[in-house]
Order: sequence, then C-alpha cells, then structure tokens
Amino acid sequence: DQQVKQNSPSLSVQEGRISILNCDYTNSMFDYFLWYKKYPAEGPTFLISISSIKDKNEDGRFTVFLNKSAKHLSLHIVPSQPGDSAVYFCAASKSGRDDKIIFGKGTRLHILP
Amino acid sequence: GAGVSQSPSNKVTEKGKDVELRCDPISGHTALYWYRQSLGQGLEFLIYFQGNSAPDKSGLPSDRFSAERTGGSVSTLTIQRTQQEDSAVYLCASSYGTGDETQYFGPGTRLLVL
Repeated sequence: DQQVKQNSPSLSVQEGRISILNCDYTNSMFDYFLWYKKYPAEGPTFLISISSIKDKNEDGRFTVFLNKSAKHLSLHIVPSQPGDSAVYFCAASKSGRDDKIIFGKGTRLHILP
Repeated sequence: GAGVSQSPSNKVTEKGKDVELRCDPISGHTALYWYRQSLGQGLEFLIYFQGNSAPDKSGLPSDRFSAERTGGSVSTLTIQRTQQEDSAVYLCASSYGTGDETQYFGPGTRLLVL
C-alpha cells in the first residue's frame, strides 16, 4: 500500500508558466514533508520542506502548500525554467528520531521552450 | 565540501553472483540510509544506520541483502546470489541525524543483473 502517492507520472509546462506538482499521502501520522529533485544519472537533491504546523513554505521560485485535512501537498514552481526539467519526488516522514522517509514514485516535469 | 560518494557507478553481474556496493557519507553525518529505485518505482527504503544504534533493517527485501557500516562512516551493501529483479539504482544518503530530516544523496550505483 503506497503511503505517498504522486498520481501524475509526467507533466509538461511552458517555460515561464507555473508548474504544479501534486502529492497525496495516507498516513495521518506524517508531519514532515519534503520535495526532492532528480536529474538523470544523479542522486536526488533536497528542494524544499514543510512541517505540519505550517500550510505554506516559500523559497524563491518554489512554494510548497500543505492541506492536512485533505492529506495533500503541492509544489509550485513559478516561473518555470528549462533547468527545472527533472523528476520530482514527494516524501513524508514522522517527526522525532524516526528519520525513515517514505517517497512517492515521482513526477517527471518537462519544461517546454 | 565533498558530498556523498558511491562506488562503483555501474555494475553488471551475472545472476547468482554476489555484489558489494560502497557508500562514503558526508563527514560528520551520523545517519546513513540505503534506498533502491527500480524502473518506474519510487525510492524504496532498504536500511538505516544511526550512530552506534542497531540498524533499522525493516526495508531489506530478503535475507540475500545485508549491509554494514564500519567505524560509523563507510557502508557496504551486499547482495548475495543476485537475481534479475535486483537490477535497480541503489542510492545511499546521509544526514546529521539530529532530527534534521534533510538527506543528502550520492549519485547511486546502477546494478544490472543479467
């Protein structure tokens, strides 16, 4: 049973527009959420995170929104740039010393010129 | 500073052989994780080391998989009697292990079992 779900395997967005990547989770015990970005042949790199005490966290062009009641989070990238083309993984964990993070299957984002 | 490094970057082996994958975490990171990414799948947790505590092996898919972490630093993931379904990218990550869940990943080892 997948605890973290990214239902869109791929997404294409025009350069300059907003990219919205979605993620759903099933475990209500999760209270820390992360997004990772992965280029081909490289390991994932941390992008942005949000704790369950917040509903929004912003870092430059990247904003993560958390809707706890819907168990849903989203990553907004605006404006989208060619270098944003990558696979984006949503991840979740429970706080405290349990650092085991559960990842989604990823969404491949294509930024179109 | 140096990031997480993994070796080899690619490994092709025959079914039934044993393989060893190595991970060098970031200096000072006490937590180390192994993940596996199969084609079309997300990152599958395998094993987690935290300091001198007993490792969390709950993600290891079978008893053919084992991992060690010597001296709290370098880790080796060993797969015995490899099977074709073991083909995947094996990723190692490390973190400070202080409750900061940000993990820093290595480039991965791409394993192909023929």
